[in-house]
Parts: sequence; C-alpha cells; structure tokens
Amino acid sequence: EPEVTQTPSHQVTQMGQEVILRCVPISNHLYFYWYRQILGQKVEFLVSFYNNEISEKSEIFDDQFSVERPDGSNFTLKIRSTKLEDSAMYFCASSVSLLGANQPQHFGDGTRLSIL
Amino acid sequence: AQKITQTQPGMFVQEKEAVTLDCTYDTSDPSYGLFWYKQPSSGEMIFLIYQGSYDQQNATEGRYSLNFQKARKSANLVISASQLGDSAMYFCAMREGRGVTDKLIFGTGTRLQVFP
Repeated sequence: EPEVTQTPSHQVTQMGQEVILRCVPISNHLYFYWYRQILGQKVEFLVSFYNNEISEKSEIFDDQFSVERPDGSNFTLKIRSTKLEDSAMYFCASSVSLLGANQPQHFGDGTRLSIL
Repeated sequence: AQKITQTQPGMFVQEKEAVTLDCTYDTSDPSYGLFWYKQPSSGEMIFLIYQGSYDQQNATEGRYSLNFQKARKSANLVISASQLGDSAMYFCAMREGRGVTDKLIFGTGTRLQVFP
C-alpha cells in the first residue's frame, strides 16, 4: 500500500541552525500538510499546501517556517533558525482530495526533531 | 472552547474484551468529518476509521466501529475483541469546512492499555 515517507526519522540540531524536514507524499495526492506533536501533547496543525501554495497556516507557522514542493515528489518543511521549543515530532500528511468520505489524511512516520 | 474533547486520559481493557473510547466535538459547520488515529509507542500515526457528518450509518472497519451520535456531538470509537497490539494512544480528530483546506483538529488522546 502506498505510504507517506519522511526523512530523517530523527534530527538533532543546534539551536539557531536551519533544518529541513523532507516528505514524499503518496504519488496521486494533491493536498499536503505538516503537523507537529510536542512530546506528550496533542497533534497540532502547522500548514496546508495545495496547487503549489499555502492554503492555510496556523499561528505556530511564523516567519521562521517555510514549505516548498521543489519537484514533483518532495514536500519540505524548513525551520530557518531553530529554537528549543521547536523540539517535537513533525508529521507530514497527504490526501487525495478534500472532504471525500473515504479520503483521510495519511500520515508519515514522523521526524523527531531535537534542538540542543 | 475545545473543538475535540477526549475525557479519558487512560483506559485499561482485558484482552478479547471490547472497549469504548470517548470523543465529543464542537462545530457549527454542518459539513464535517471525524477521524480516529492510532499512535503506537513507535510514534507513527495510523488512520483507523472515518465518519462523515452526513453519513446515515455508523462507520465500521474490521474490529473498529464508530458510535456516532450527531445530536450529542459524540463519535466514540469501539474496539471489539481487544488484542495486545491495540495498546497505543488513540486520537480523535475533526475536519471541518468546505474551503480549499481541511486541517485536522486533534483531541488530547486516550492511552489504551490491553492486558492479558
């Protein structure tokens, strides 16, 4: 079964450094998302992306964050200057369409980001 | 106000027994979808089951079923014949709106422990 793949599975970065998290959504999916989950807390929406542009972003998604779909397969999340509070699990998700009865968002296995 | 409320931080169930995980939601949008995801200790998010607001029947998927009570705004997950491998965090999530995005809003989760 096709799946969303994320790399790396674990990223350790010094505070202030830039980090890029990579995702390969399911190939026929059109809608892409990033979520994050701080340890022990609930999953929070960051940003959604459709037709090569951001559709919606949350308050968390400030100027330090950016997303890109540099080619036909990858979908990246960049954090420009990481802070300690960026430490979290970051999930990429994709869906084939909106509001279809059998069209859930499929999640990758996540990237655990640790900021030192 | 919380959009998704999961009031059970933890639940215990004996193997082969059924268990119900509670979820209530709050929305004024007539069109919405409700999802349940499983998160094992390894961290990935696994889609389990979906219920649309206009669906006439409760969703079922193998051992998972959704007890959807629209007037009460509840969408409880029922796991029948629990297995040890069902031990995990379970998140209820809602998708609302008909615009160009459909972010998921998650509850705080319920940790299910299945014992022999």
